[in-house]
Amino acid sequence: QQPVQSPQAVILREGEDAVINCSSSKALYSVHWYRQKHGEAPVFLMILLKGGEQKGHEKISASFNEKKQQSSLYLTASQLSYSGTYFCGTSSGNTGKLIFGQGTTLQVKP
Amino acid sequence: GAVVSQHPSRVICKSGTSVKIECRSLDFQATTMFWYRQFPKQSLMLMATSNEGSKATYEQGVEKDKFLINHASLTLSTLTVTSAHPEDSSFYICSADSVPQETQYFGPGTRLLVL
Repeated sequence: QQPVQSPQAVILREGEDAVINCSSSKALYSVHWYRQKHGEAPVFLMILLKGGEQKGHEKISASFNEKKQQSSLYLTASQLSYSGTYFCGTSSGNTGKLIFGQGTTLQVKP
Repeated sequence: GAVVSQHPSRVICKSGTSVKIECRSLDFQATTMFWYRQFPKQSLMLMATSNEGSKATYEQGVEKDKFLINHASLTLSTLTVTSAHPEDSSFYICSADSVPQETQYFGPGTRLLVL
C-alpha cells in the first residue's frame, strides 16, 4: 500500500533540474508533497487533489495523473536549500490519513 | 501557515517508564490529528488517527494499550508511550489538519531515547 518513489536518491549541481516520481497501486484521492531536512519535521510543499491537476510553487511544481495513480514533483533551477528528503503522502479515501512513500534524498551541491 | 507544536522536543527515559508527548495546534482548530513514528533514514509510519472526543483509530500492528492517545480538545492530542523499551526509541511526529482531507501540518517532532 505504500506508494513507491523514484529515484531513491539524486545529486545535483546548483541550477540543475530534477523530477521525483510517486506511484501508487491504489486509486488516489489526493497526493501531498513534503520536504524534510535532517533532524527536523516534514515541511508542507503542496497538495494535489483528484481531478488531475498541476500546481506550482516558485520553482517547485507538481502534477497528478489520477488515471495512472502517479504524481511527479518538478524542481527547476535547484538551489542549495532544496537539499533534503522528499516524501509523497497519498490518500485513498475520505479519512484524511496519509501513507508516505519511502522518500527521495536530494543533495544539491554548489 | 498553520502552526503545530509538540512538547517535549527531546526526552530520555529509563526502560519501563511512561512518557507523554503533547501535540497542540496553536492557531487553528484541528479536525483530526495524526501520530507518526519515524526511525532513522526511514519513512514516516502512521501510528494512529485521532479525533476530538472519540477513540483513536490505530494502524495495523500498533498496540493501542502501549501507545495511548487522548484527544482532549480541538487543539490538543497526547500520546503516551507506556512501559517504554529501547526499541521504542524513535522520532515521534504529530500532524493536524483544519479541513478534512486537506493540508496536514506537522509538529516539530519529539525524539525519544529509552535507555
